[in-house]
Amino acid sequence: AQSVTQLDSQVPVFEEAPVELRCNYSSSVSVYLFWYVQYPNQGLQLLLKYLSGSTLVKGINGFEAEFNKSQTSFHLRKPSVHISDTAEYFCAVSVTSYDKVIFGPGTSLSVIP
Amino acid sequence: NAGVTQTPKFQVLKTGQSMTLQCAQDMNHNSMYWYRQDPGMGLRLIYYSASEGTTDKGEVPNGYNVSRLNKREFSLRLESAAPSQTSVYFCASSEEGQGAYTGELFFGEGSRLTVL
Repeated sequence: AQSVTQLDSQVPVFEEAPVELRCNYSSSVSVYLFWYVQYPNQGLQLLLKYLSGSTLVKGINGFEAEFNKSQTSFHLRKPSVHISDTAEYFCAVSVTSYDKVIFGPGTSLSVIP
Repeated sequence: NAGVTQTPKFQVLKTGQSMTLQCAQDMNHNSMYWYRQDPGMGLRLIYYSASEGTTDKGEVPNGYNVSRLNKREFSLRLESAAPSQTSVYFCASSEEGQGAYTGELFFGEGSRLTVL
């Protein structure tokens, strides 16, 4: 079975500073990887995804993530955060042969003015 | 552009009462999902439907039933609500099953359920 670990439940960071949100997964087969963002009192929306090809994936709002197969990681990064980036971020994984997506517990990013 | 619509947005139940959460999508997606979100636990899959007429259990199906009424609609029913079912419920849909895997889930805005 697949599982997703997000080591940091809360990450405070000052505005304009860089940030990295960590994600590790476990799976015995090939996976697809995703980051979703949830703003307060809203549903989730896709930030970026890795399906195949280049291991460095760029998403919306200046975020990027790098797939590292040997370390089974898919960390999310942004070089300079803005107040509007304050949100909950979820890493997720799906297996190619199944029609379901498994989510990690989430990381709450708080950007401090 | 409605996307995924869930009703109701808020509901308070007493223990033992029943209710149905409704979900509809207008994107012609094959797959639909019900998740629950609890603090510190992320989203956990309750049930999913890969296509019209099929449903499968997810991680936490106990205490729930689902119906894929047609391609657009996927409902979640609590037959006898318990306080442990207090949560925020999200419906989602995706294109999977149409031969082009995009991996993207489209979410509704959520339904906040409180069971007293």
